[in-house]
Amino acid sequence: QVQLVQSGAEVKKPGASVKVSCKASGYTFTSYYMHWVRQAPGQGLEWMGIINPSGGSTSYAQKFQGRVTMTRDTSTSTVYMELSSLRSEDTAVYYCARAPELDYWGQGTLVTVSS
Amino acid sequence: QAVVTQEPSLTVSPGGTVTLTCGSSTGAVTSGHYPYWFQQKPGQAPRTLIYDTSNKHSWTPARFSGSLLGGKAALTLSGAQPEDEAEYYCLLSYSGARVVFGGGTKLTVL
Repeated sequence: QVQLVQSGAEVKKPGASVKVSCKASGYTFTSYYMHWVRQAPGQGLEWMGIINPSGGSTSYAQKFQGRVTMTRDTSTSTVYMELSSLRSEDTAVYYCARAPELDYWGQGTLVTVSS
Repeated sequence: QAVVTQEPSLTVSPGGTVTLTCGSSTGAVTSGHYPYWFQQKPGQAPRTLIYDTSNKHSWTPARFSGSLLGGKAALTLSGAQPEDEAEYYCLLSYSGARVVFGGGTKLTVL
């Protein structure tokens, strides 16, 4: 069965970076793009970007350009989302979700940015 | 960047019918925006109900349907159940592989 398992919760200080992982199983990893979506506490969903695990190409939301990097490791079927220059507004649950139909989601990773 | 708009909140009676809409600041929503609809309950990850305007997943209850209506994407719930009380989000795709979520509609079944 398809599973997306994300890394555990993180606490970071303002200005630091965080790298969240999403390990896929149950399907051919390189056949499906992967979205990253975040949700701040009590807020709506926000699309961050997408990565093609096959070639590694990416497309990022304008808001995160220059601060986000999405990568993948085909040997472990894992995609990564790294967000730099963290600020308190980046406190959120970060999700990976399989494209194109966003039919499978990771369990979410809470990233807390606090001094 | 485009802004995707949804009703902030709606209320439906048990057994009733309600339509949620999803508009785009760039103009009419078309099938080329590949509208998606998601349901999210507190403390849970979102769950996709509808993709590509009107397609359902195997887990999508038959009482949910998607369409285009008056230049917007629409999610219609016919025969609302108490368990349908949740937040609903739409998503639209734009050129350049850009994707934008709507702000969400809080649906109350009362």
